[in-house]
Amino acid sequence: QQQVKQSPQSLIVQKGGISIINCAYENTAFDYFPWYQQFPGKGPALLIAIRPDVSEKKEGRFTISFNKSAKQFSLHIMDSQPGDSATYFCAASWDSGTYKYIFGTGTRLKVLA
Amino acid sequence: NAGVTQTPKFQVLKTGQSMTLQCAQDMNHNSMYWYRQDPGMGLRLIYYSASEGTTDKGEVPNGYNVSRLNKREFSLRLESAAPSQTSVYFCASFDRALGNIQYFGAGTRLSVL
Repeated sequence: QQQVKQSPQSLIVQKGGISIINCAYENTAFDYFPWYQQFPGKGPALLIAIRPDVSEKKEGRFTISFNKSAKQFSLHIMDSQPGDSATYFCAASWDSGTYKYIFGTGTRLKVLA
Repeated sequence: NAGVTQTPKFQVLKTGQSMTLQCAQDMNHNSMYWYRQDPGMGLRLIYYSASEGTTDKGEVPNGYNVSRLNKREFSLRLESAAPSQTSVYFCASFDRALGNIQYFGAGTRLSVL
């Protein structure tokens, strides 16, 4: 119930294409869904996040789509660039007082020039 | 403003040796976390400290101990290192009042031979 399932494990996209990464969860108590971006040799950094009261959030080329009834959310990277090549993690958390995050297993994205 | 600082960046240990990974944050955050990152397994929570003076086990605590030395510092200790503890370790900090974002350090890459 505490798992967040992420797919695909790896993704190769041509420059200018759309990258799509999917996550699914079971625990309906989750109320915050962030996406983290990690470059090689660096720590993860927050990219974009959404709460379940909205179905979509867009920041520049990055969009989260959220389907509450299906318990799924996805990250879309429009006009993908080589500089977007990184590992992406979805996560989920709930307001338990500890603010723990449950992370997905990660997607390694490579954007070809 | 350094954010979350981890030391050392790299370490090689022999089986049975002990070591302490250090983490310090300068954002006046209440909560701090230790994760390990392994290929295909995402970020798994080892221990966390919701506030100064408290620590709790996460998903994979066996073989580790922690100390919340003060509000700034949270250390992770391996008493008798095992090859299964070869991993990249990340420290993170969080404060609900300052936004729902966990900030990560750059990581410590540990090899146990």
